[in-house]
Order: sequence, then C-alpha cells, then structure tokens
Amino acid sequence: DSGVTQTPKHLITATGQRVTLRCSPRSGDLSVYWYQQSLDQGLQFLIQYYNGEERAKGNILERFSAQQFPDLHSELNLSSLELGDSALYFCASSPSRQPEIYNEQFFGPGTRLTVL
Amino acid sequence: AQSVTQPDIHITVSEGASLELRCNYSYGATPYLFWYVQSPGQGLQLLLKYFSGDTLVQGIKGFEAEFKRSQSSFNLRKPSVHWSDAAEYFCAVGADLFSGGYNKLIFGAGTRLAVHP
Repeated sequence: DSGVTQTPKHLITATGQRVTLRCSPRSGDLSVYWYQQSLDQGLQFLIQYYNGEERAKGNILERFSAQQFPDLHSELNLSSLELGDSALYFCASSPSRQPEIYNEQFFGPGTRLTVL
Repeated sequence: AQSVTQPDIHITVSEGASLELRCNYSYGATPYLFWYVQSPGQGLQLLLKYFSGDTLVQGIKGFEAEFKRSQSSFNLRKPSVHWSDAAEYFCAVGADLFSGGYNKLIFGAGTRLAVHP
C-alpha cells in the first residue's frame, strides 16, 4: 500500500459524458501527478500540481482538467468523453519539498475508466 | 527529448533462474532512473531508484539495477526468480530542474515477465 488513494476504482460511462476522478496523496506530500495508461499509448504523464498550483502539463487533452484543493487532494475532470479515453488513470504523489526538485513518486491503485 | 526503451516486450523464465530486464534511456543530463512493477489489476510499485552515487542500487524483493552511463542503460536483475515475480516491469526516467523540464516520469513500454514453474 503506497498511501495514495484513488476513487472510484472502476467507472463505466457513455460517450459525451463527464466524470471526475479523485486522488488523495500520501500524508505530507505536496506534489500530485496524473498519468494515463492505455494499450496504445502506454503510460503518459498528464499534469502535475504542487501545493494547489499547476506546475507542469504533459499530454493532456483540452477536454481534461485537474485541480488540487487546500487539503491537497486532487481531482481529474474528463469531459466530452470518447471511446479512446478508456484507460487506467493513475495518481501519484511525491515528497519533494520544492516542486522542481526531483524525488520518487508513489502511485495509487488507479481508476479504470471504460467509455461505452 | 528524453525517452526510455525497453527492448523486450515479453520474457519468460523458469522459477529459480536468473533474470535481467533491459532498459536504455536517452537523456542529456544526469538521469534520475526508476524501476516500477505492476501486478495484474494493481498500481505501480517502486522497486528501486538511482539518483547519484553508487551505480549498483539495491531495491525491494531482491532486485538490483546497475546504471551504466557509457551504455545509457539501467538494467534490472534478480539472481533467482520466484513465481510471484510474474508482472509487468517499467523502467522510467525523471526530468530534473536543469533539463528545463519538470518532474514527470517518462516510462518505457514495459516488459511482461512470465515465470514457469
């Protein structure tokens, strides 16, 4: 158990819908990262938040957005869902005390999204 | 641009045999290197990491990895594989401050390990 929690574990929805994935980082971790794992793209970095602020963006679609709240939990919002958005979405947190300084990332169990 | 290559998509070994999973990276500066393992239906668990110092790093579950700058490699090894090691293994490189990047992890495509009894 990494200490990172994600809910829900599974999510099944229809095309065009909007969903919200939730992540609670390890206690004390200020950085939260979101990754997408799909069969065709592999594991791809989406976005990073540090202490409530967006710090870096990766291959994140404009239909997707995220935020980190004062209690440090984060949400990933996916809208206008398409079949190709079906994937495993991971959240990770890092104990880095500065957003640019690297440290290992601890991953949650993931949310499996199925778009029908 | 940074990249990670795991040349072997699938590897099958017999229980008790030794294991080496290959990882090559492309990165201009000193890399931060990681190996993660993903069991079926599970998240990613960190096996070991290399930031600096001793190029042979020890991890959990009896795994070790050796950083070879001249070969741009960070191969994962285990002297004797157990059936419970069957999983998918991912090598990753992390960007650092001086690369002008940010703290994302760039993953290889993964190597799926099967263990025969």
